[in-house]
Amino acid sequence: AQSVTQPDIHITVSEGASLELRCNYSYGATPYLFWYVQSPGQGLQLLLKYFSGDTLVQGIKGFEAEFKRSQSSFNLRKPSVHWSDAAEYFCAVGAFLSNFGNEKLTFGTGTRLTIIP
Amino acid sequence: KAGVTQTPRYLIKTRGQQVTLSCSPISGHRSVSWYQQTPGQGLQFLFEYFSETQRNKGNFPGRFSGRQFSNSRSEMNVSTLELGDSALYLCASRLTATTDTQYFGPGTRLTVL
Repeated sequence: AQSVTQPDIHITVSEGASLELRCNYSYGATPYLFWYVQSPGQGLQLLLKYFSGDTLVQGIKGFEAEFKRSQSSFNLRKPSVHWSDAAEYFCAVGAFLSNFGNEKLTFGTGTRLTIIP
Repeated sequence: KAGVTQTPRYLIKTRGQQVTLSCSPISGHRSVSWYQQTPGQGLQFLFEYFSETQRNKGNFPGRFSGRQFSNSRSEMNVSTLELGDSALYLCASRLTATTDTQYFGPGTRLTVL
């Protein structure tokens, strides 16, 4: 079964500083990887996704993530954070469940990001 | 194009009651998935519907059920509510049931007293 680990429960960074959120996955085949962001009381918004190809993926809001197969990691980065980036971030891995091609998402426990002025 | 909508946004019920939550997917999307989010368990997959058929199911008791209509709208039902069912229930839609990005709605916050 697939699993996702986000080792950092809470991260605090200063506005304008760089950010890296860690994500490690376990999956027996080539994974489909996602980063979602959730603001308080809101649903999940997709930041970026990796299916195949270039291992450095660009997303919305200036975020990027790098897939490293050798480390089973898919870390999220942003060179300069803004106060509006304060939210909870979830890494997820998609896995095929049947020949039909259905996919369910397995989420990590999330990392809460706090931005200080 | 409108996003995924969920109704109601907030719901308060008492133990033993049942509840029905509704999800309207993005126009043209035929697959709808449901997730439960709690502080203790995080985000957990409930089930997925495609073309009015349940395709996959997570590890939840039979009290949790769902259905999908011909217009792709979906409902989930929880019977005999327990305190532990208090959660944010998220619906996600995607174009097909193959590898595609899931787009989430804002969720329904269910509180069981």
